[in-house]
Amino acid sequence: SQTIHQWPATLVQPVGSPLSLECTVEGTSNPNLYWYRQAAGRGLQLLFYSVGIGQISSEVPQNLSASRPQDRQFILSSKKLLLSDSGFYLCAWSYSYNSPLHFGNGTRLTVT
Amino acid sequence: QKEVEQDPGPLSVPEGAIVSLNCTYSNSAFQYFMWYRQYSRKGPELLMYTYSSGNKEDGRFTAQVDKSSKYISLFIRDSQPSDSATYLCAMSLRDSGGSNYKLTFGKGTLLTVNP
Repeated sequence: SQTIHQWPATLVQPVGSPLSLECTVEGTSNPNLYWYRQAAGRGLQLLFYSVGIGQISSEVPQNLSASRPQDRQFILSSKKLLLSDSGFYLCAWSYSYNSPLHFGNGTRLTVT
Repeated sequence: QKEVEQDPGPLSVPEGAIVSLNCTYSNSAFQYFMWYRQYSRKGPELLMYTYSSGNKEDGRFTAQVDKSSKYISLFIRDSQPSDSATYLCAMSLRDSGGSNYKLTFGKGTLLTVNP
């Protein structure tokens, strides 16, 4: 069966510090990978998605970037965090574009 | 008009009640419909996935899609305290370029089932 791992579960970082969140998927190959942010009252916002190694599409211009160095690894990064980057970050995978997403358990990021 | 509307609740019901959760949408191009359950501080978990009008049943859960009226529903029979969570609807359509599917989520309904 497929599993998705996301870490860390919680993170507190000062403004201006770098960020690296990692996500890995097991049990499938060449999945579509996604990064979402969930803010209270605003629902799920798609940040990035990837259909293959090195292929990243950005949905929202912002202070974040994503990379996919390996088939089942997806990384969300920032060089300098802003207060507005605080939120609940979720990684997800799917078999293909028209198949449902499967989410990890998220990282709660607080920027102080 | 928002693409997907979902009543945020909160919705509180006694154990054993039948729960009805609903979403309406404005874009008739949506093709695939999903319901997710999200416990506090956890990621959303896929409950139901369907692409046709009508009902789909899985245990105590029934997903209903009415494309002519543009709404979807999730029914939970014999609700349990363990069903207490936020329920998110989601739907997808093929984008204008034809090479990608756009997935849109509702904002979620908070459900509490009281023992």
